[in-house]
Amino acid sequence: ETGVTQTPRHLVMGMTNKKSLKCEQHLGHNAMYWYKQSAKKPLELMFVYNFKEQTENNSVPSRFSPECPNSSHLFLHLHTLQPEDSALYLCASSQETLSSLSGANVLTFGAGSRLTVL
Amino acid sequence: AQTVTQSQPEMSVQEAETVTLSCTYDTSESDYYLFWYKQPPSRQMILVIRQEAYKQQNATENRFSVNFQKAAKSFSLKISDSQLGDAAMYFCAYTLITQGGSEKLVFGKGTKLTVNP
Repeated sequence: ETGVTQTPRHLVMGMTNKKSLKCEQHLGHNAMYWYKQSAKKPLELMFVYNFKEQTENNSVPSRFSPECPNSSHLFLHLHTLQPEDSALYLCASSQETLSSLSGANVLTFGAGSRLTVL
Repeated sequence: AQTVTQSQPEMSVQEAETVTLSCTYDTSESDYYLFWYKQPPSRQMILVIRQEAYKQQNATENRFSVNFQKAAKSFSLKISDSQLGDAAMYFCAYTLITQGGSEKLVFGKGTKLTVNP
C-alpha cells in the first residue's frame, strides 16, 4: 500500500478518444500534483492543487484538464491527445504546499499511469 | 535557468561495493532543499534522502549518504554496501517556490543504477 494509488496502470488511446486518469491518496495530505515523465527528460510538473484549489498550471496544453473534487482525489482528463503526449503520468501528494519552504513537504508518489497515444 | 544535471546516465556497481552518483544544480536561491529519489521498476518514486541547504552537515540514511558542496552546487549520493534491491533510476531534485506560491521540485534526468551480483 503506497498511500497514493493511480488508475489505470496502463492506457492506450487514439487521438480522438476521451479518457481520464485517476489518483487517490490515503495519507490525509492537502496538496496533490501531476507530473509527466518522458523518456530521457526530467520530470515535468504539470499541475498543483492545494486544498482543492489549483495553484499551479505549468503551461500545460488545454487537451489536459485536471479536476480535484476533494483533497483525496485528483483526475486528469484527456482529450484529443497527440502521440508526443505518450508518457508516464505520475501523481504525488504532500502535506500541503506553502509559500515558504518547509522541507517537511516531502512528496509521496503513486506508481504512475503509462499512457500511449496512437 | 533552474536546472539539475546528472552527468551519468547509467552506472553499475558490484553487490556489497560502494557507488557514488553525481548531481549538480543551478539555482539563484539561497535557501532550498535537495532530494534524491529512487524509482525502481515498479515505477513508484521513493524518497531516499533529503538535505537542507542551510545545513553544512551531510545527511545520512543508513547506507545512503550525501556529499553536499553548496558553493559548488553539488549534491552527490553515496550508496554503501550496495544491494540488489538498490537497482533503480535515481533522480536528484531540489525545491523552489513558483510564482504561484507552490513548492516545486525540479528534477534531473536520472541515473540508472545496475547492481551486479
